[in-house]
Amino acid sequence: DIVMTQTPLALSVTPGQPASISCKSSQSLLDTSGRTCLHWYLQKPGQAPQLLIYEVSSRFSGVPDRFSGSGSGTDFTLKISRVGAEDVGVYYCMQGIQAPRTFGQGTKLEIK
Amino acid sequence: EVQLVESGGGLVQPGGSLRLSCAASGFAFSTTWMSWVRQAPGKALEWVALINHDGGQKYYVDSMKGRFTISRDNAKSSLYLQMNSLRADDTAVYYCARDSGWGRTDCWGQGTLVTVSS
Repeated sequence: DIVMTQTPLALSVTPGQPASISCKSSQSLLDTSGRTCLHWYLQKPGQAPQLLIYEVSSRFSGVPDRFSGSGSGTDFTLKISRVGAEDVGVYYCMQGIQAPRTFGQGTKLEIK
Repeated sequence: EVQLVESGGGLVQPGGSLRLSCAASGFAFSTTWMSWVRQAPGKALEWVALINHDGGQKYYVDSMKGRFTISRDNAKSSLYLQMNSLRADDTAVYYCARDSGWGRTDCWGQGTLVTVSS
């Protein structure tokens, strides 16, 4: 199974400041189709997860442009340019290149 | 509006069985791959199982193979998870989710809580 490793596991950010989360996979997530099957999710407190970024860098419908994703192969990053109170929650990366799908451990973002 | 609504959770004794259901609406269910994902209290998300559009391909995480069975009824736009030989560590919120290709899970239900306890 592909192991997904996120760092850090917790972040405390001042409103308006940037934040960055790293995700590393134990195998390349580049599919034979040329797509890279790495996705980012946010789970706000008490809610179901929601898709933020798919295939490394594409923002899902309705996701603000302060969220961006980058990376390739096995190393990926989620960046929030200016953190707001509404961004609090746990962020997960997930690989979709093979089953079983696997998630990172999650990164808990809180506001200072 | 795309919607997924889970049901069937509850309290069950260790060794017991439970069948979860997920009612889908607002999209072409019969052409869509679907997943179950769970989350134990205070823990990270854990992918459980995946089924292709016609039910001919099924995938499970190793720890649940042989105990859990994913299935679907396209005529009813419904997804199911049959869970047998339940253990305390199966206690979790179980989410039904739409897989829109290359693992992109873009729609989630609200979840149903399964508690395994005597």
